[in-house]
Amino acid sequence: DAGVIQSPRHEVTEMGQEVTLRCKPISGHNSLFWYRQTMMRGLELLIYFNNNVPIDDSGMPEDRFSAKMPNASFSTLKIQPSEPRDSAVYFCASSSRSDTQYFGPGTRLTVL
Amino acid sequence: AQRVTQPEKLLSVFKGAPVELKCNYSYSGSPELFWYVQYSRQRLQLLLRHISRESIKGFTADLNKGETSFHLKKPFAQEEDSAMYYCALRGGTYKYIFGTGTRLKVLA
Repeated sequence: DAGVIQSPRHEVTEMGQEVTLRCKPISGHNSLFWYRQTMMRGLELLIYFNNNVPIDDSGMPEDRFSAKMPNASFSTLKIQPSEPRDSAVYFCASSSRSDTQYFGPGTRLTVL
Repeated sequence: AQRVTQPEKLLSVFKGAPVELKCNYSYSGSPELFWYVQYSRQRLQLLLRHISRESIKGFTADLNKGETSFHLKKPFAQEEDSAMYYCALRGGTYKYIFGTGTRLKVLA
């Protein structure tokens, strides 16, 4: 298994543009998490899906952020419009039931 | 409030010296505690969890409920231990709360 797959690995965009980050969880895992990593705040949980359903989105910063999980093997995190303060590394992680989380390699987002 | 505190952003030690990465938590129930590690250019990965009570790569961590701490220790640091270390708490079935991380630098 290739583990959790994220794309793109790096994204540079200009303020105001739409950004879409993608994640493919490990096959068979029914929980998916999106995190944001910054120097100041460390790792913050943005949203949690269980069986493709959003369970907790209390960490989503504002309406500019949205996430979807149309099926068990794919999720997206969208930022529209993007702002410079959104620059961070975004991680996707998956797990099965109460097992530990497995992280993807992350997407480094830079908003100019 | 649920919180994980890692007071040190950066910890530098010499090779062969003991290492202790501090982690304190705040949680009203019985949490599960973890240490995750991120080596340079690699993905975040689980190092150890308190329920396993195991030693991984020479690291150990003991949950001290009285002091609400879960410090990570290693008696003799090695250069390959240089990485970013995150302490995490899981309360309930899914929600993980991570600390802000400590960067460990092991000097030759």
